[in-house]
Amino acid sequence: GESVGLHLPTLSVQEGDNSIINCAYSNSASDYFIWYKQESGKGPQFIIDIRSNMDKRQGQRVTVLLNKTVKHLSLQIAATQPGDSAVYFCAENILGTYKYIFGTGTRLKVLA
Amino acid sequence: GAVVSQHPSWVICKSGTSVKIECRSLDFQATTMFWYRQFPKQSLMLMATSNEGSKATYEQGVEKDKFLINHASLTLSTLTVTSAHPEDSSFYICSAADRQKYFGPGTRLTVT
Repeated sequence: GESVGLHLPTLSVQEGDNSIINCAYSNSASDYFIWYKQESGKGPQFIIDIRSNMDKRQGQRVTVLLNKTVKHLSLQIAATQPGDSAVYFCAENILGTYKYIFGTGTRLKVLA
Repeated sequence: GAVVSQHPSWVICKSGTSVKIECRSLDFQATTMFWYRQFPKQSLMLMATSNEGSKATYEQGVEKDKFLINHASLTLSTLTVTSAHPEDSSFYICSAADRQKYFGPGTRLTVT
């Protein structure tokens, strides 16, 4: 079934610092992973994705790292800005299927 | 990127009444749309997968008679919460898949 979080861990970082948000995924058969950003009262917004044949992918100010051995995914945000404050979710998927399983989410607070 | 809209963005209704939420893919056709529910400080929980022209597929524990889904066209899916109760108060989010999954802005339902 779907992964449902019962509490929301919070990461507080100073503006300008780098942020690292971690996620443990559940299904070893998952081969596609996505990070979403969700601001208060809004739907999830796509940030970056990665397929299981890669272990690192970079975007603008963001990097996703994938460790399939331990089923771990991380999102790195460089030079964190106040606008990065939001809840971040990872999601896992098996390519060719539509079902996404969402992680519990992490709230990122950027301190001025 | 592709745009998914929802209407209304928020709704307040009385206990026992029914509420319809619309989800539209604005610039692409989606044979499959998804409905999620999100409680405060929790992750997204998939409720059902909506297929154009056929019956929706509901996740375990989701009452199909309470949450009626209709996917009337390739750009519109509706979720009707029937005989709503206060415990149905939640944030309902739809998504539609093009090359990737796009999420709507969500609908905040409050049942009084």
